[in-house]
Amino acid sequence: AQSVTQPDIHITVSEGASLELRCNYSYGATPYLFWYVQSPGQGLQLLLKYFSGDTLVQGIKGFEAEFKRSQSSFNLRKPSVHWSDAAEYFCAVGAWNTNAGKSTFGDGTTLTVKP
Amino acid sequence: GAVVSQHPSWVICKSGTSVKIECRSLDFQATTMFWYRQFPKQSLMLMATSNEGSKATYEQGVEKDKFLINHASLTLSTLTVTSAHPEDSSFYICSAPTGGSSEAFFGQGTRLTVV
Repeated sequence: AQSVTQPDIHITVSEGASLELRCNYSYGATPYLFWYVQSPGQGLQLLLKYFSGDTLVQGIKGFEAEFKRSQSSFNLRKPSVHWSDAAEYFCAVGAWNTNAGKSTFGDGTTLTVKP
Repeated sequence: GAVVSQHPSWVICKSGTSVKIECRSLDFQATTMFWYRQFPKQSLMLMATSNEGSKATYEQGVEKDKFLINHASLTLSTLTVTSAHPEDSSFYICSAPTGGSSEAFFGQGTRLTVV
């Protein structure tokens, strides 16, 4: 069974500082990996995704993530955080073949940005 | 990207009544759709897989008689919460993958409040 672990429940960073949110996955084959952001009371917005190819993927809003198969990780990074980045971040692994599109989410990391 | 629309965005209903939530794929056909539930400050949990032309597949612990799913066409799946109770109050989100893709597109979610 697939699973996702986000070890950090809550992270606080100062505006302008760098950010890294951790994600570890468990999946029996090549995973499809996603990062989503959710503002309070809102739906999900896709930040970036990894299917294959270059292990460093670029996303929207200046985010990037690196897929490391040896570590079963897909950590999200941003070099300089803005106050508007404060939100809930979810890492997810997607199934393929007969379960294409079915996603398993981590518990999320709440990001607080200090002025 | 593909668009998935959910309706309504929010709904308030009285205990004991039923409420229907619609999930539509606007610019693609979806033989499969997924329904998730998100309680406050928690992650998204898959409730069921909606299959066009056949019965939905429910995750363990989800009451199929309480959460009725109908996938009547290739662009519409509905979730009906029957005999709603306050503990059913939650954020419900649907998603649909395009073709055989492992990327699913999410609706904007429906906030259900049962009073």
